[in-house]
Amino acid sequence: DAGITQSPRHKVTETGTPVTLRCHQTENHRYMYWYRQDPGHGLRLIHYSYGVKDTDKGEVSDGYSVSRSKTEDFLLTLESATSSQTSVYFCAISEPQGADTQYFGPGTRLTVL
Amino acid sequence: GENVEQHPSTLSVQEGDSAVIKCTYSDSASNYFPWYKQELGKRPQLIIDIRSNVGEKKDQRIAVTLNKTAKHFSLHITETQPEDSAVYFCAASSGPIKAAGNKLTFGGGTRVLVKP
Repeated sequence: DAGITQSPRHKVTETGTPVTLRCHQTENHRYMYWYRQDPGHGLRLIHYSYGVKDTDKGEVSDGYSVSRSKTEDFLLTLESATSSQTSVYFCAISEPQGADTQYFGPGTRLTVL
Repeated sequence: GENVEQHPSTLSVQEGDSAVIKCTYSDSASNYFPWYKQELGKRPQLIIDIRSNVGEKKDQRIAVTLNKTAKHFSLHITETQPEDSAVYFCAASSGPIKAAGNKLTFGGGTRVLVKP
């Protein structure tokens, strides 16, 4: 597996609380992505980053924000968690120019009560 | 934006038989089509991919075919084994990000069960 870690791996929180998920890579890849996975929906892109401090929205970005202050770290923040954000969150990375393959991290299971 | 539909949602096959999963996409500009396998509780892992300048690609027991005119692509697994049991996802690229990389749109997944 590519050098990608996610923390925490499991989290239970209450509605209205802020939550931050961390993705850390040791591959020095330029592109990083956050997806959520829900039954029947496959993986849906939340936000992505194409460099330090360079980020953009994916298809399901409402209620989420991201930050990337270092190449190796990509943070996903739920400012005020809702039950609809209960999901499994995957981070992915891809190589710079010439390669499209995305490698996924181990995932974070988030439950919002 | 891109839309990817995947069928069937579940597939049960006898060990040794073949399995076929089909996906259709909407954006004719899509040019990269990966397939991922996800075992229970694990991360998705790339098993094969194809680009729009190629019609077919094989890797041992798995193959992918692409029909750009009809905008569909398929995964074929031959001589299925119990370890092929997993959820499979297709995806299509919805365009380059800043001249490199790709935004992927995923299908809903197919749960494959190989019965011994």
